[in-house]
Order: sequence, then structure tokens, then C-alpha cells
Amino acid sequence: RKEVEQDPGPFNVPEGATVAFNCTYSNSASQSFFWYRQDCRKEPKLLMSVYSSGNEDGRFTAQLNRASQYISLLIRDSKLSDSATYLCVVLTGGFKTIFGAGTRLFVKA
Amino acid sequence: GAGVSQTPSNKVTEKGKYVELRCDPISGHTALYWYRQSLGQGPEFLIYFQGTGAADDSGLPNDRFFAVRPEGSVSTLKIQRTERGDSAVYLCASSETGAGNSPLHFGNGTRLTVT
Repeated sequence: RKEVEQDPGPFNVPEGATVAFNCTYSNSASQSFFWYRQDCRKEPKLLMSVYSSGNEDGRFTAQLNRASQYISLLIRDSKLSDSATYLCVVLTGGFKTIFGAGTRLFVKA
Repeated sequence: GAGVSQTPSNKVTEKGKYVELRCDPISGHTALYWYRQSLGQGPEFLIYFQGTGAADDSGLPNDRFFAVRPEGSVSTLKIQRTERGDSAVYLCASSETGAGNSPLHFGNGTRLTVT
């Protein structure tokens, strides 16, 4: 079983739609959680950290469920510019940062 | 300020050759990571440095892969006797401390092609 698993998609949604991505992790001792965004042929960039109480940054909301070892990302009012791959990232075993395979999102006009 | 710099941006080599990939992290960042990314996959952890020492090298696939960071800044990933399966984008990232509240800053990567 992979340490971090994501639905690979792709998710094809119209502009203005709400879309949610899920991620599960296997190591219950994992300490920190993040969502990164990666555009085609570019390097990953931090989108947002995920806190236990849930957190929001504009149109983006991240949730963490430690009991179920589950992380989610919700994007409201999707824009064309949101088209990218979204990577679920887990910090485990001290400083080992593990990436999921990513979920591809295409937002269409 | 300057971001993470990786050189070369592209490297084509023949099977069996030796290659070195260089990473110049953001100044002052103590943590440095190497990842490998194949098409359609997420970055695969290879090795993590805290300062000069390799704190976790559990992701290195075999003994053909080795990385150093002798002065706690620039790092070199070395691959001996390259194989076609080594072809991928090699990403380097640095963070200020490596702790959970310290995000990773990635370089543009080195695209390695083994023919």
C-alpha cells in the first residue's frame, strides 16, 4: 500500500463549479499535511497547509480527519487558472515529506 | 531573492555512464531534499539532508545512487552506471528548517534521459 494515496482523476469541471479531492495516508504517526499544486512541466508549489481544525484560504478549504487518516481539498467557484495537478503531501517520520501521485484538474469554459 | 537552482536543466547520457546533478538551495535553508518524478506520478522521495548530513536516505533506489552536501549548502546527486529506468525529472527542494511549518521550495528540476 502506498503511503499517500489520491484519486488520480482527471476531474473535468466547468468554470464556477465546486470540486473536492481526497487523500488518504497510511502512517498514523504523520505530523503535518499540505496541498501542493503543480502545473504542467513545472515544479510543485505550496498551495496550503492543512490544520486539524480545517482551514480556508479564499476559494480553497482544506480538512484533516486524523481518525480516518484522510485529507481533503475543496475548491469553490473554479477558475480556468485552477487547472493543474494537486498533490497531497504528508510529513512523516521526522522530516520525511511524502507526495501522493496527484489529482489532475481541468477547468473548462 | 534567488530560488532553488538546479543544473543542468537537461541531461542526456548513454546507458552505463556516470552523471552528477547539482542543486543550489535558497541561502540559509538547512534542509535539502532530492526527489525523482516520472511522467504522471508524484515526486518520489530519495534523500533528505539536514545541514551536511543525510538524515534520511531511505528513498535511494539502490547503491548506484549517492548524494552529498559537504558544506551544508550545495548538494550533488550522483548516479553511477545509469540505466534507462533512471530517466526522470530530478527535483531538488530546500526548506528553512525541514520542520512541519517550513514549506518546501522546489527548483525547476533536471530532466535526465538515459539512452
